[in-house]
Amino acid sequence: EDKVVQSPLSLVVHEGDTVTLNCSYEVTNFRSLLWYKQEKKAPTFLFMLTSSGIEKKSGRLSSILDKKELSSILNITATQTGDSAIYLCAVSYIYSGAGSYQLTFGKGTKLSVIP
Amino acid sequence: EAQVTQNPRYLITVTGKKLTVTCSQNMNHEYMSWYRQDPGLGLRQIYYSMNVEVTDKGDVPEGYKVSRKEKRNFPLILESPSPNQTSLYFCATNRGGSYNEQFFGPGTRLTVL
Repeated sequence: EDKVVQSPLSLVVHEGDTVTLNCSYEVTNFRSLLWYKQEKKAPTFLFMLTSSGIEKKSGRLSSILDKKELSSILNITATQTGDSAIYLCAVSYIYSGAGSYQLTFGKGTKLSVIP
Repeated sequence: EAQVTQNPRYLITVTGKKLTVTCSQNMNHEYMSWYRQDPGLGLRQIYYSMNVEVTDKGDVPEGYKVSRKEKRNFPLILESPSPNQTSLYFCATNRGGSYNEQFFGPGTRLTVL
């Protein structure tokens, strides 16, 4: 079953709206949760979260991790058309079989911001 | 400039014709991996490598091979491509250990007819 679940799968908003994207996970030996933005090319890194309750912020984007609830949210305030993209959540965990850090992605949330 | 390069960027081929997609990084990263991205399925890991001569299967390894003879290169080999391998492929690297910010290559769009 899916280890990382994102919701909603797609979202259409108007410019200026605030959006909240959700990511929940179910892994053992959790290490970190990462958010990426993907436009019509490779994903680009946004945030890495390792500690509960500490907000990471970059301009109009912010994210927070809740390790008790096994989830994270990504907030975008005052959305612009340039925010239109797929937002990917990924969870890093120690894969006991190989003793290595593994990274599993959710299916992504497609955000469309219309003027 | 730190970068991950992939070649080719676009490829149309026919069933059964062996192909290799190259991936090279100049960041001296230990950890490299290959993903495929399909609509509705997200990014799925094919293979990964923790260091030279160390590779392991990801979530969808069937039909693919990899090798890691040098730290900077991690080619993806399709010995006998099939139409269900039509996809967008990304190579990614990170420093390994707890540093999991992945740096992605530009992607290779593969079509198998």
